[in-house]
Amino acid sequence: QSALTQPPSASGSPGQSVTFSCTGTSSDVGAYNYVSWYQQRPGKAPKLVIYEVYKRPSGVPDRFSGSKSGNTASLIVSGLQADDEADYYCSSYGGSNWLFGGGTKLTVL
Amino acid sequence: EVHLLESGGDLVQPGGSLRLSCAASGFTFNAHAMSWVRQAPGKGLEWVSLITGGTGSGTTYYADSVKGRFTISRDNSKNTLFLQMNGLRADDTAVYYCGRDFYTSGRWIDYWGQGTLVTVSS
Repeated sequence: QSALTQPPSASGSPGQSVTFSCTGTSSDVGAYNYVSWYQQRPGKAPKLVIYEVYKRPSGVPDRFSGSKSGNTASLIVSGLQADDEADYYCSSYGGSNWLFGGGTKLTVL
Repeated sequence: EVHLLESGGDLVQPGGSLRLSCAASGFTFNAHAMSWVRQAPGKGLEWVSLITGGTGSGTTYYADSVKGRFTISRDNSKNTLFLQMNGLRADDTAVYYCGRDFYTSGRWIDYWGQGTLVTVSS
């Protein structure tokens, strides 16, 4: 049950786009379209921003988008805003377990 | 409105036990799988356990790190999720979140509680 792999940090200036990667295996990310992404601000609970690879929950702006290729999923945040600064975690269903990535800390410069 | 409220977190000695609860409201509790996810101080999220909902309600799954020590259960009549934690170790120290899964069988968490802190220390 290894965690999914995410780079520890990312940054961008307001208005720019940033891409977060999430690498799993053919048993989890590559096998199922049940990749989700969560935003977590300091001291707060995680908040769902993407589910089933690319779908957005109600209330999440369309600046957030998701995709998947093989064993790697991606979250793209466009038109960066100061309020986007947070930790971002990917997650995937793995058949009989559920995996999270180590998280990527986004800094808005 | 979906609401999840965890309770039961405390300071406990290594080897001790603790029972966490998660009171749910605002949705049909028995129709959804429910999970526990933890976050050690300064660390990332770690899935701990899941229990299915619906007609297959009650099938349980555990992370290897807690298998044999933790037991997840649910009381659908009281809309409450539980996590019985035995044989606690220092590396179990974390904020424990309960999460509602969108599906009955568990695929992704769409709502999270605010968490309850478990500290394992002598």
